Amino acid sequence: GAVVSQHPSWVICKSGTSVKIECRSLDFQATTMFWYRQFPKQSLMLMATSNEGSKATYEQGVEKDKFLINHASLTLSTLTVTSAHPEDSSFYICSARGSDRGNTIYFGEGSWLTVV
Amino acid sequence: AQTVTQSQPEMSVQEAETVTLSCTYDTSESDYYLFWYKQPPSRQMILVIRQEAYKQQNATENRFSVNFQKAAKSFSLKISDSQLGDAAMYFCARMEYGNKLVFGAGTILRVKS
Repeated sequence: GAVVSQHPSWVICKSGTSVKIECRSLDFQATTMFWYRQFPKQSLMLMATSNEGSKATYEQGVEKDKFLINHASLTLSTLTVTSAHPEDSSFYICSARGSDRGNTIYFGEGSWLTVV
Repeated sequence: AQTVTQSQPEMSVQEAETVTLSCTYDTSESDYYLFWYKQPPSRQMILVIRQEAYKQQNATENRFSVNFQKAAKSFSLKISDSQLGDAAMYFCARMEYGNKLVFGAGTILRVKS
């Protein structure tokens, strides 16, 4: 089974509302988590690096005020899409690297977001 | 930007045959990690194999093996005895400083019975 869990798997929200996606490491402590976005039939695009207890580091071109990332504990990072619009509809995937897992990165199951 | 290139958008292989997926990358670092991930229709990213650049020996995991050519910055994946369950999107990735993964565009692998 997956060692990183995402919730929800599917979410539909109305345009203008905010939606939160959770990423949990189930059997290890994740000091660093990563958030990716994937459009259909395309590759994964790194949005931001989430570090426990500090501010996230966003990739160039990613709006940090729109995609709020919080990594308040060693097992949980959240991505909040604020004031969502239809163009934010996508597949969002998190991944985690634990301090006791070397350089292997484990991925969550992903979350489909549809903004209507 | 340092990139990862997968030049084959789509590949097909007959069941039980062997297929090789290509990947080249760009880096200025001397030590780094390379990965192949499989993404089936469920969208779950599954680690297939990884290679540490300082190791000259090619990594192998059961039916999966790599041909790592450091000087050429090439990292191909060979799948032997292909099975229907191997059908998926395959991504080559390089780990950057800070443990960030940079992915290639992906190769869709179709397995014919």
